[in-house]
Amino acid sequence: GAVVSQHPSRVICKSGTSVKIECRSLDFQATTMFWYRQFPKQSLMLMATSNEGSKATYEQGVEKDKFLINHASLTLSTLTVTSAHPEDSSFYICSASLRRDRGETQYFGPGTRLLVL
Amino acid sequence: DQQVKQNSPSLSVQEGRISILNCDYTNSMFDYFLWYKKYPAEGPTFLISISSIKDKNEDGRFTVFLNKSAKHLSLHIVPSQPGDSAVYFCAASDPWGKLQFGAGTQVVVTP
Repeated sequence: GAVVSQHPSRVICKSGTSVKIECRSLDFQATTMFWYRQFPKQSLMLMATSNEGSKATYEQGVEKDKFLINHASLTLSTLTVTSAHPEDSSFYICSASLRRDRGETQYFGPGTRLLVL
Repeated sequence: DQQVKQNSPSLSVQEGRISILNCDYTNSMFDYFLWYKKYPAEGPTFLISISSIKDKNEDGRFTVFLNKSAKHLSLHIVPSQPGDSAVYFCAASDPWGKLQFGAGTQVVVTP
């Protein structure tokens, strides 16, 4: 149980285009979904926290107009990288939160590799 | 400001022996702790967690120990297997479910 999918797994796009990444919890309803970014050989950096039906909460330094998050249902959140530039190239990972053992456990998707040319 | 620290970037252990990964944290608001395993270009896989009201949790070959007074937790893997070779992240959760990750420890299990 607690499977999270992400689509697409990798995408290559031209500079200036927008890219949408979907995150789905397949067998549970997530109280909260999170979006992370990982640079090579570094830990995961939280970008934003998303609750169904409300605006996402962005971490300091993350541009909300650049990284649009829509949380349409308890099983689906989308991240749109608008007007992508080469510096946006990275590994984007989502997670969905499920309460267990007195705490919220995040289950992660497989990640999306974005390359902006 | 790194609130969760894994001071060992790498660990090499022989197959069959015990792997011990350490993690320290600074924020006393953290009340739930998790360990994840990660392969390159994949999302982290949840391994085991522990609530701040406990000092030990065991699941198969994985045991997590929590020392609240020292703000320290550790993950024991025994016996270590070649398939355990991966990067292990320690994570701490605040009461609102937000995670802070350590920098990770690369574990290599040798035959």
